[in-house]
Amino acid sequence: DTEVTQTPKHLVMGMTNKKSLKCEQHMGHRAMYWYKQKAKKPPELMFVYSYEKLSINESVPSRFSPECPNSSLLNLHLHALQPEDSALYLCASSQSSLRTDYYEQYFGPGTRLTVT
Amino acid sequence: GQNIDQPTEMTATEGAIVQINCTYQTSGFNGLFWYQQHAGEAPTFLSYNVLDGLEEKGRFSSFLSRSKGYSYLLLKELQMKDSASYLCAVSDNNDMRFGAGTRLTVKP
Repeated sequence: DTEVTQTPKHLVMGMTNKKSLKCEQHMGHRAMYWYKQKAKKPPELMFVYSYEKLSINESVPSRFSPECPNSSLLNLHLHALQPEDSALYLCASSQSSLRTDYYEQYFGPGTRLTVT
Repeated sequence: GQNIDQPTEMTATEGAIVQINCTYQTSGFNGLFWYQQHAGEAPTFLSYNVLDGLEEKGRFSSFLSRSKGYSYLLLKELQMKDSASYLCAVSDNNDMRFGAGTRLTVKP
């Protein structure tokens, strides 16, 4: 199983809502990532979890809150988002974290988020 | 800081060979990756280089020169399904950054 799954596929939320994005992998990977991708732009790294601990926070606004309940699951909690946060949110996983050698990242299909 | 540059768009003919270049300036280096991304889909891994030289994988090859901060992705025997964006990504100890991507269009 080389699949990373993400739910929901699409999400529309208001600026006062609270929602969560979910990501799951069963490849035994110990590093998981959240990326944000705007249209026609490359993915931008938001968070990295290594062995279920947050190892990198790219100075992302606090309205985005990551959570890693166990090595297979990764959540991104959303609160009081802005319209400019509308984007494709990609989850990825790899065997090890950014600080070590070769680590092919497997991407999930993404959640397309629209903030109204 | 990091700079990763690649051409915005390229066009090639079915059956031909195309080379997509990537130059980078980074504070550290743990490896360079190439990903393919079709419109509306997630990126998929193509290749990884950490040492100088050529890595070959079927129709795809990737080359790295660390001293020049340069890589290229070579696609042979182009097929229509190869029309996609190709992303160059560089990792240092603390970060993974993607180039803006090269949109390749394969024409009959």
